Amino acid sequence: QVQLKESGPGLVKPSETLSLICTVSGGSLNRYYWTWFRQAPGKGLEWIGYVYSSGSTNYNPSFKSRVSLSRDTSKNQFSLVMTSVTPADTAVYFCARAHADNYNILVAFDHWGQGSLVLVSS
Amino acid sequence: DVVMTQSPLSLAVTPGEPASISCRSSQRLLFGNGYNYLNWYLQKPGQSPQLLIYLGSTRASGVPDRFSGSGSDTDFTLTISRVEAEDLGVYYCLQTLRTPYTLGQGTKLQIK
Repeated sequence: QVQLKESGPGLVKPSETLSLICTVSGGSLNRYYWTWFRQAPGKGLEWIGYVYSSGSTNYNPSFKSRVSLSRDTSKNQFSLVMTSVTPADTAVYFCARAHADNYNILVAFDHWGQGSLVLVSS
Repeated sequence: DVVMTQSPLSLAVTPGEPASISCRSSQRLLFGNGYNYLNWYLQKPGQSPQLLIYLGSTRASGVPDRFSGSGSDTDFTLTISRVEAEDLGVYYCLQTLRTPYTLGQGTKLQIK
């Protein structure tokens, strides 16, 4: 059974960098799209981006150049780095796994982590 | 970006009664292969989202058959044939045809 678990600091100061890691157990990173979402308090979900097992990435333009995703196949982990955070980045951050079909179109996010609350505050 | 609009935003249903949620997209989600790249998720209180339906109408593994997805192109519906107490939570539609992937605002299902 594939499981994902987010880890990282729960408190980040404004203007600093947010770093989260998602550890995958019960399966490898191969041939999947490893994704980050976030959910601000009381709000809906927002897609941040993905890193494919090959290392290629795709980001939501709303985050401009503040976000960087990467993976470490030796540790079965992938990570999110977000720079210049503000209180508006306070949210629960979820990692998730997706697979694509023969047309290289993502089909669904079938496994999710439990979420990691990050508070941006001085 | 593809804008996803859900309705209603909340509904209260008596156990055993049916429920339907609508999701409309601002662009077509039907690809040339005949598939609609539209998912439905349920986020129960305090939990992460769980996949219910993918490709518009295919139930995910382990999802009860009281959940069904229908529709095509820009109009989609999630139907629960007989609501159970455990179905409470927020339902989201999500499109995966075009990046950035986008979700509806969510529909909160409450149990009467």
